[in-house]
Amino acid sequence: DAGVTQTPRHEVAEKGQTIILKCEPVSGHNDLFWYRQTKIQGLELLSYFRSKSLMEDGGAFKDRFKAEMLNSSFSTLKIQPTEPKDSAVYLCASSLRLGVYEQYFGPGTRLTVL
Amino acid sequence: SQLAEENLWALSVHEGESVTVNCSYKTSITALQWYRQKSGEGPAQLILIRSNEREKRNGRLRATLDTSSQSSSLSITATRCEDTAVYFCATDLNQGKLIFGQGTKLSIKP
Repeated sequence: DAGVTQTPRHEVAEKGQTIILKCEPVSGHNDLFWYRQTKIQGLELLSYFRSKSLMEDGGAFKDRFKAEMLNSSFSTLKIQPTEPKDSAVYLCASSLRLGVYEQYFGPGTRLTVL
Repeated sequence: SQLAEENLWALSVHEGESVTVNCSYKTSITALQWYRQKSGEGPAQLILIRSNEREKRNGRLRATLDTSSQSSSLSITATRCEDTAVYFCATDLNQGKLIFGQGTKLSIKP
């Protein structure tokens, strides 16, 4: 079975640009998560979908970050406009929603904003 | 404040030795999970231990859970170079999401 797929693996953007990161969850999984990972803050939850419905939109990340789940097999994370402080690894994860579960993570997208 | 946190930022042991990573958390949980993240990869689950369990094993890995002290440990025996990674604990609050700790960087020296 295919795991979580993320594209691109690396992205370099100029300050002020719009970037879109993509994620394909594990087939059949109902929940999808977007995280940002930095050395200082660790793993921070950006957005959380359950059966394509947005359950959490990340509080402090709301203004420039927008995650969408267009169908059960594809999600995007848009950052608009990008700022240098957005430089981080963005991870997508999916899980089954059946009691206690594990999250399956993709390899991440490393974003560098100049 | 962190709802889950590992107690040490980094650990280093020699190959073949045993090592324990500790985690503390601050709220009632449904379960606690341990994840490992190798360089350039996303985290991968190692062990899930439910709140009514005290110990769980997976090969060379052993996790314990003490709900009274709100703490957990992950022990690795006979460590190998490929165990070098960052280890996270993550608490399940039965809200459909996990709260991850900051992680402990484990280095296994040849």
